[in-house]
Amino acid sequence: NFMLTQPHSVSESPGKTVTISCTRSSGSIASNHVQWYQQRPGSAPTIVIYEDIQRPSGVPDRFSGSIDSSSNSASLTISGLKTEDEADYYCQSYDSRTVVFGGGTKLTVL
Amino acid sequence: HVQLVQSGAEVKKPGASVKVSCKASGYTFSDYYMHCVRQAPGQGLEWMGWINPNSGDTNYAQNFQGRVTMTSDTSISTAYMELSRLRFDDTAVYYCARDAVAWEYQLLPGENGMDVWGQGTTVTVSS
Repeated sequence: NFMLTQPHSVSESPGKTVTISCTRSSGSIASNHVQWYQQRPGSAPTIVIYEDIQRPSGVPDRFSGSIDSSSNSASLTISGLKTEDEADYYCQSYDSRTVVFGGGTKLTVL
Repeated sequence: HVQLVQSGAEVKKPGASVKVSCKASGYTFSDYYMHCVRQAPGQGLEWMGWINPNSGDTNYAQNFQGRVTMTSDTSISTAYMELSRLRFDDTAVYYCARDAVAWEYQLLPGENGMDVWGQGTTVTVSS
């Protein structure tokens, strides 16, 4: 199986743009879709990006996803940061019959 | 309204077993894989396994092989996760989460993510 590695934490100011990376340890990042979840303290995760770049209905278009084969990584970009975006973010992918989550990134909006 | 409602908090002793239930409503239960994901205090999400309620097929993360069993009862739209030989480090919030796309329309579980999550069940292992 592979691993997904995320930065432990990122921080940025309101109104700015932040990007969170998710690097796959083996196998191609492009071979299996990547999803992103937001988790606020005390709440269950909610999906904000699926199939690498798709946004579920109700998720603001400030959230976008991408993949970069050259770095074998996926990224979640949040533009026009709001204080309400402060949360933990997890990437997720799969391989054969197994699901893998990244370790999570704590986003601080200060 | 699609939702997953989980059973209440549990306190167990080391070596015991715990069984968490997850009742689905608002959709055809047997059409979607169901996953179990746990989160230890202050830690990240850890996938434990999935079940196809239609076939009963399961797959578990290697870390839990031999200790976890996922089952389902389609007559009451409920999935179960039983974890045996509990250890102190099994203390966590356990979530059930539904695959976003019906199994009939995707190749692999988790392919399109998990779009509906239960509220979580806190399991505390304490002597």
